[in-house]
Amino acid sequence: DAMVIQNPRYQVTQFGKPVTLSCSQTLNHNVMYWYQQKSSQAPKLLFHYYDKDFNNEADTPDNFQSRRPNTSFCFLDIRSPGLGDTAMYLCATSRGGTGGIYGYTFGSGTRLTVV
Amino acid sequence: KQEVTQIPAALSVPEGENLVLNCSFTDSAIYNLQWFRQDPGKGLTSLLLIQSSQREQTSGRLNASLDKSSGRSTLYIAASQPGDSATYLCAVRMGNTPLVFGKGTRLSVIA
Repeated sequence: DAMVIQNPRYQVTQFGKPVTLSCSQTLNHNVMYWYQQKSSQAPKLLFHYYDKDFNNEADTPDNFQSRRPNTSFCFLDIRSPGLGDTAMYLCATSRGGTGGIYGYTFGSGTRLTVV
Repeated sequence: KQEVTQIPAALSVPEGENLVLNCSFTDSAIYNLQWFRQDPGKGLTSLLLIQSSQREQTSGRLNASLDKSSGRSTLYIAASQPGDSATYLCAVRMGNTPLVFGKGTRLSVIA
């Protein structure tokens, strides 16, 4: 089945130690998103790629970076994680430019804990 | 700026009851509206997608309606079961801008 896969499922990292989360998709969608979701809150968009074009949200900390080496893969890099970065990180994909016919498909998420 | 509100924030019902979750949005110029389910500690599972030209969508015991002019959507769950316990999120899409989410309704179905 076509899907969005996130690895790892759980990640524990030390304060200040760089960490990378990965997302891959078999849907051939041209848009990929990274969301951060803290406990009992709505998902918050960090950034997204529309094809190769990177779009950063204005309030996304500089500590968060992303790479999309090809259509199928997207990475979230946190350069110096702080305790406040403990959250669920969700990757999603969609097909852009289709007038709303298609929805978003989410992965299972990576639960990141900074200690 | 689009804002999405979900009421109630939490809901507890006995098994077998029919229930309605509400979602409202401030800007009616949407492309589509999507309802998601999220189990604790898990990702989002898409339940139903309603395009702006549609009035409702159905999947099994779920029925979602959309009234663009009034900025409202409802998710109707028939004959609720304990397995329906989860958080339900509503999200709207405007053009090629990313989804805007509500904060969700946490549903508990008591056996």
